[in-house]
Amino acid sequence: DTGVSQDPRHKITKRGQNVTFRCDPISEHNRLYWYRQTLGQGPEFLTYFQNEAQLEKSRLLSDRFSAERPKGSFSTLEIQRTEQGDSAMYLCASSLMTGRQYFGPGTRLTVT
Amino acid sequence: DQQVKQNSPSLSVQEGRISILNCDYTNSMFDYFLWYKKYPAEGPTFLISISSIKDKNEDGRFTVFLNKSAKHLSLHIVPSQPGDSAVYFCAASAGRGTSYGKLTFGQGTILTVHP
Repeated sequence: DTGVSQDPRHKITKRGQNVTFRCDPISEHNRLYWYRQTLGQGPEFLTYFQNEAQLEKSRLLSDRFSAERPKGSFSTLEIQRTEQGDSAMYLCASSLMTGRQYFGPGTRLTVT
Repeated sequence: DQQVKQNSPSLSVQEGRISILNCDYTNSMFDYFLWYKKYPAEGPTFLISISSIKDKNEDGRFTVFLNKSAKHLSLHIVPSQPGDSAVYFCAASAGRGTSYGKLTFGQGTILTVHP
């Protein structure tokens, strides 16, 4: 059973550095979502793709954040000039068009 | 603007008893609701869902109740087991009565089931 995978699982970076995370969805899923979760809170929606098209972006996604899904398969989320407030768990999920979302294990980012 | 709220940060129950987790929402456009369970170091795992055209959905030990007029839903776990100990998130989506598009999550409730 191949679920949603994310890489890396943990990332420690210094403030001001750029980081990139990768998400590999379940292969037949055409939708891919990114969420961010901070301590004591539920996941917050960042953006989602249908195939390679980015359909919605949250106002949480500042101009330092960019997400891509080339060819409608895996996706990357890049954060430029990281800040301490970016420290969080970044979750990826995938689904069929109207199906439930399956989540990956997340990438925990720590900005020092 | 917290559109989905879980007002109880934690809940502790004895094994074999009922666990009741509550969730309130404010957005009238929400028409599909889900519960996810999350263990440490793992992503959320889907548990059960309900469409706004229903007021109850049952799956084994898990039942979700929806009260649209009160904008309130609850998850009942009967009987509770120690393996149910986890963080439970309520989530909602708007559009077509399915898990369509983005999910809005509550803050989560930590459930501890004591043997």
